Amino acid sequence: EAQVTQNPRYLITVTGKKLTVTCSQNMNHEYMSWYRQDPGLGLRQIYYSMNVEVTDKGDVPEGYKVSRKEKRNFPLILESPSPNQTSLYFCASKLRTGGGEQYFGPGTRLTVT
Amino acid sequence: QKEVEQDPGPLSVPEGAIVSLNCTYSNSAFQYFMWYRQYSRKGPELLMYTYSSGNKEDGRFTAQVDKSSKYISLFIRDSQPSDSATYLCAMYSSASKIIFGSGTRLSIRP
Repeated sequence: EAQVTQNPRYLITVTGKKLTVTCSQNMNHEYMSWYRQDPGLGLRQIYYSMNVEVTDKGDVPEGYKVSRKEKRNFPLILESPSPNQTSLYFCASKLRTGGGEQYFGPGTRLTVT
Repeated sequence: QKEVEQDPGPLSVPEGAIVSLNCTYSNSAFQYFMWYRQYSRKGPELLMYTYSSGNKEDGRFTAQVDKSSKYISLFIRDSQPSDSATYLCAMYSSASKIIFGSGTRLSIRP
């Protein structure tokens, strides 16, 4: 089944403790992206990747890192999480940068205390 | 002014009604248009994808794009309680990132 998977689905952590949220897609998509969704603010893009080893900042990149060493994986790294990073995070992918449908993962609900 | 405007609702209609959801946009370069359905605490699910102007139908769903008016619509026929969700429009051009509307919350009354 073609899908985008994320792990973990739920995470509660403390301020400053480094964490990684994994994202994987099995559709051979070149383009992958991370979003956060907050009430009243909608979906905001954090980082995106147009292909392996090519990443760029989205609208709200502060406090996040990403890497794209393989086509299928696009982990989101929070080096020193803070309470304002408490949010619902989505990974998404599409075939290429120009054109094509974008598919979302199931989401990761992160709480930073 | 936002690049994409979408009425947040909530919109409440009786079961069986035809639902019309809309978005307007300002960037005439947008070529690709998508509609997503999102249930509470779930990931957005892609419903419709269209390129340029015209209509596209898939079961009870019809997507319309009017590029001259910078206006897109999603119609849901024979609406069901299971259609109750938030609907997001999204659009982009080959040179831009994807821009999302803020979502319309829809409730179908049995």
